[in-house]
Amino acid sequence: QITLRESGPALVKPTQTLTLTCSFSGFSLTTSGEGVGWVRQPPGQALEWLALTFWDGDKRYSPALKSRLTIMRDTSRGQVVLTMTNVDPTDTGTYFCVRSLGASVGFHFNFYGLDVWGPGTTVTVSS
Amino acid sequence: DIVLTQSPGTLSLSPGDRATLSCRASQSLSRMYLAWYQQRPGQAPRVVIYGASSRATGIPDRFSGSGSGTDFTLTISRLEPEDFAVYYCQYYGSSPLFIFGPGTKVESK
Repeated sequence: QITLRESGPALVKPTQTLTLTCSFSGFSLTTSGEGVGWVRQPPGQALEWLALTFWDGDKRYSPALKSRLTIMRDTSRGQVVLTMTNVDPTDTGTYFCVRSLGASVGFHFNFYGLDVWGPGTTVTVSS
Repeated sequence: DIVLTQSPGTLSLSPGDRATLSCRASQSLSRMYLAWYQQRPGQAPRVVIYGASSRATGIPDRFSGSGSGTDFTLTISRLEPEDFAVYYCQYYGSSPLFIFGPGTKVESK
């Protein structure tokens, strides 16, 4: 069974650095096509993708937040860590860890979606 | 950047009704990379459709996806009580890697 679970502080102060950990199991993040990343959702609002690390070590970031984000993986421990610097109240929301699944088929890359989600962790930025 | 627009914002229907949700893109997309997600209140989203028309594992066949180019549709043939939720379309692109639409809420009339 594939699971993801987020952990981190529920409350952070403005200007601080937020560190979130995704602990995953049931897969290795070393198989071609796999990725683990983060999606957030402000209260009552839509989903927003933040960052993703791929099976081959490639990392991608949301252009809007790239300067503030760092994603790191430790496949031996089954963890992916996201750090977000200089948080402010607009960063308040639920943060989801997600697995992205794809596969190369011939010359094409098939995308099977963000097929597994953690339950989410709620982060409030407030002084 | 690609922008995804979903309509309507809210769909008020009754169980047993047919739901038709639209996702429109600001430029032509590869249907291979278009997905739909369902988010029930208080829950994490789950993938419903990938590749514009393929049902994800465990998704009942009352859910179907279609479309190409800039216009994509998610159809729920007969709404069940558990289908009332918010639905997001999403594209797997280049930069940004993932783009979500604003969502359509399917609510019980």
